Amino acid sequence: GQQLNQSPQSMFIQEGEDVSMNCTSSSIFNTWLWYKQDPGEGPVLLIALYKAGELTSNGRLTAQFGITRKDSFLNISASIPSDVGIYFCAGLNYGGSQGNLIFGKGTKLSVKP
Amino acid sequence: DAMVIQNPRYQVTQFGKPVTLSCSQTLNHNVMYWYQQKSSQAPKLLFHYYDKDFNNEADTPDNFQSRRPNTSFCFLDIRSPGLGDAAMYLCATSSRGRTEAFFGQGTRLTVV
Repeated sequence: GQQLNQSPQSMFIQEGEDVSMNCTSSSIFNTWLWYKQDPGEGPVLLIALYKAGELTSNGRLTAQFGITRKDSFLNISASIPSDVGIYFCAGLNYGGSQGNLIFGKGTKLSVKP
Repeated sequence: DAMVIQNPRYQVTQFGKPVTLSCSQTLNHNVMYWYQQKSSQAPKLLFHYYDKDFNNEADTPDNFQSRRPNTSFCFLDIRSPGLGDAAMYLCATSSRGRTEAFFGQGTRLTVV
């Protein structure tokens, strides 16, 4: 089946540093989504990407949809303590009448004040 | 206001005793998903509905069933919960016109 390879698995950074994480796949996706999940909560959508090459920002977050449609990255600039959490990429395909959202394994971000 | 609502937030059930988790949405989305998420793992898709069409993942155990009586509601039924079914269960919705998926807060299932 389709798989997403997300890296790094975890990051320990100092407050104020920039963060970069990425997802790659052997499959093509029509949409890339980036989520943040806090402990005991559901994932919250951060950024949605729809077109190959698309670069989208949401505050301090920037994400890009790779030109090959097989990869995406998420950058967080000037990290703050509330950025702590697990970040998931997810790829979505619509084939015919079906949709299937596949998740990467997540990047656990820790921020030291 | 919450748009995807899962009830209950926490559910404790006995080994082998059927349990139902519920999800409702106010977004009028035609796709609804159920995911299982175990500790420190990514959400794993169990099945999804595209309108009334049910799509089961190949590796979803028969112990897991789902019902979608109308657009707004979707249920996850676990017929005979085992200890290994303890997890966070996440419901999500998306629309055919826009492909973002929105998640509820999840139901944490404990099997005793």
